[in-house]
Amino acid sequence: DTAVSQTPKYLVTQMGNDKSIKCEQNLGHDTMYWYKQDSKKFLKIMFSYNNKELIINETVPNRFSPKSPDKAHLNLHINSLELGDSAVYFCASSHRGAQPQHFGDGTRLSIL
Amino acid sequence: GESVGLHLPTLSVQEGDNSIINCAYSNSASDYFIWYKQESGKGPQFIIDIRSNMDKRQGQRVTVLLNKTVKHLSLQIAATQPGDSAVYFCAEKNAGNMLTFGGGTRLMVKP
Repeated sequence: DTAVSQTPKYLVTQMGNDKSIKCEQNLGHDTMYWYKQDSKKFLKIMFSYNNKELIINETVPNRFSPKSPDKAHLNLHINSLELGDSAVYFCASSHRGAQPQHFGDGTRLSIL
Repeated sequence: GESVGLHLPTLSVQEGDNSIINCAYSNSASDYFIWYKQESGKGPQFIIDIRSNMDKRQGQRVTVLLNKTVKHLSLQIAATQPGDSAVYFCAEKNAGNMLTFGGGTRLMVKP
């Protein structure tokens, strides 16, 4: 009955590969987010998305793209993975873009 | 650029004592602030929030204080328990309803 769930929890892959992380929320929220947390625990917003608008943090490389098949899902696709992409990625959701946001438990991505 | 700043100390307290975690922010236009708790291997969990038209808000064992004059935010935890051990983040709402997080403070509770 987890509110925001991410899969997989761990992802180990090689440089240059393309991978996806899935996120689903059962809270009935209409806005979803992706964050990146680096090794120093710093959390940085990557994307904010509802059915009308995608807001992209300008520092995010265009190798990263969110895909939303429906309101309850926002998947993260990453092309041509680089060593610097190693981090924990968190999905979150909220109602109508309001606060607070509810977070998943993260996906730890390790690039070999 | 403007950002929420939070030194990354490790705060060590004795079980039963009160804890105070501090956060400095630089965007004077921010109107909403929030505290999250992150336990090992978990995602951030909402603790308490406050709007800029308030200077204090209380929850269960937690209090958030906002001082807009010096752009300072603090989280007070009363009677700290071992289960409070975690990394605590403050964040502010920026344009587009997205959150800008501070760097986090690790709270360690000694039994």
